[in-house]
Amino acid sequence: RKEVEQDPGPFNVPEGATVAFNCTYSNSASQSFFWYRQDCRKEPKLLMSVYSSGNEDGRFTAQLNRASQYISLLIRDSKLSDSATYLCVVNFRTGTASKLTFGTGTRLQVTL
Amino acid sequence: EPEVTQTPSHQVTQMGQEVILRCVPISNHLYFYWYRQILGQKVEFLVSFYNNEISEKSEIFDDQFSVERPDGSNFTLKIRSTKLEDSAMYFCASSDSGRALIFGPGTRLTVL
Repeated sequence: RKEVEQDPGPFNVPEGATVAFNCTYSNSASQSFFWYRQDCRKEPKLLMSVYSSGNEDGRFTAQLNRASQYISLLIRDSKLSDSATYLCVVNFRTGTASKLTFGTGTRLQVTL
Repeated sequence: EPEVTQTPSHQVTQMGQEVILRCVPISNHLYFYWYRQILGQKVEFLVSFYNNEISEKSEIFDDQFSVERPDGSNFTLKIRSTKLEDSAMYFCASSDSGRALIFGPGTRLTVL
């Protein structure tokens, strides 16, 4: 089983639509969870951290289910500028060693 | 807003040559990382660095690779005897907590 697994997409949605991405991770001892966004040939940029209680940032909502080892991202009212690859990222830390493991990403294309 | 910087943005080298990729992490961050992304593939962890020593490295990070923090601001990745398969985007990242990472814009390495 892959460490972090995502549907690669692409998800093609019209502007204004709601779209949801899912991610599963294999290491039950994982400690921190994030969604990053990556535009073509650019660096990953932190979109939001993911907490067990769920968290929201404007049109974006992230949720974590530790029991199922499952993370989700919901984007409401999609904009053309949301077109990008969304990376599910899991952090496993021991002592001072910290390693973020990335999923392959889910590509989103928002169209007019 | 503080940012991670990397130089050069693009490096072209001949197979078998040595390259040094340079990074300036965010000034008050304590954790430093190198990741790479082969075109069309996922972001892969190479190495993490804390308190002037490697804290974790992946199986990719073999004797061909080394990292150094030669002064208080720079963080370098040296790749000896480059191979064609080393062609990738190399991202430096830093963190204040070892959780969420801030990535630099990357160095595109092309090995001919």
